Amino acid sequence: TQLLEQSPQFLSIQEGENLTVYCNSSSVFSSLQWYRQEPGEGPVLLVTVVTGGEVKKLKRLTFQFGDARKDSSLHITAAQPGDTGLYLCAGAAGAGSYQLTFGKGTKLSVIP
Amino acid sequence: SAVISQKPSRDICQRGTSLTIQCQVDSQVTMMFWYRQQPGQSLTLIATANQGSEATYESGFVIDKFPISRPNLTFSTLTVSNMSPEDSSIYLCSVEDLAGGGETQYFGPGTRLLVL
Repeated sequence: TQLLEQSPQFLSIQEGENLTVYCNSSSVFSSLQWYRQEPGEGPVLLVTVVTGGEVKKLKRLTFQFGDARKDSSLHITAAQPGDTGLYLCAGAAGAGSYQLTFGKGTKLSVIP
Repeated sequence: SAVISQKPSRDICQRGTSLTIQCQVDSQVTMMFWYRQQPGQSLTLIATANQGSEATYESGFVIDKFPISRPNLTFSTLTVSNMSPEDSSIYLCSVEDLAGGGETQYFGPGTRLLVL
């Protein structure tokens, strides 16, 4: 069974601060997705990383996939109140399996 | 990306009753997934629904409790049967992203269920 450990579980920061969320596993994933979920909504896909060592940027968000494809990080620069939400990482095992393994999530609150 | 809608968006139900949740996609997809998200928790896969075949259930979930239909490539239903308060959760459907190689999923807005 593949597991994804996500940290921190909760994060409360002031507007303008930087933060990093981590997603770690002992298993190799063929790809890893990051989602953001706001209260009352379903998860919304932010990015998919596929290649070991890959770095993707989405405005103030930077996503990195570890060289061994076992871990990933999400870095937010100059956080804004609109970044508040639950951030979920999810790994795909590949090899014909379409199932995703989800981390427990990081609940981020950005205080104005 | 696919546009996914779910009905109902929320419901309050009595213990022992059943609720059927609908999931509609704006494009044809092979695989649809049903998840449960308990309060404050992450997502747990209930089952995978393929058109033309029986759904595949994950460990801890059974067809008698969560029967699923998949009559065509754009629609699926999940029924929560004989409900108890422990079934209070958000139920989410998702679909594979074929353009992304199938490993990425897009989610519906969820159905918030409260069982009294």
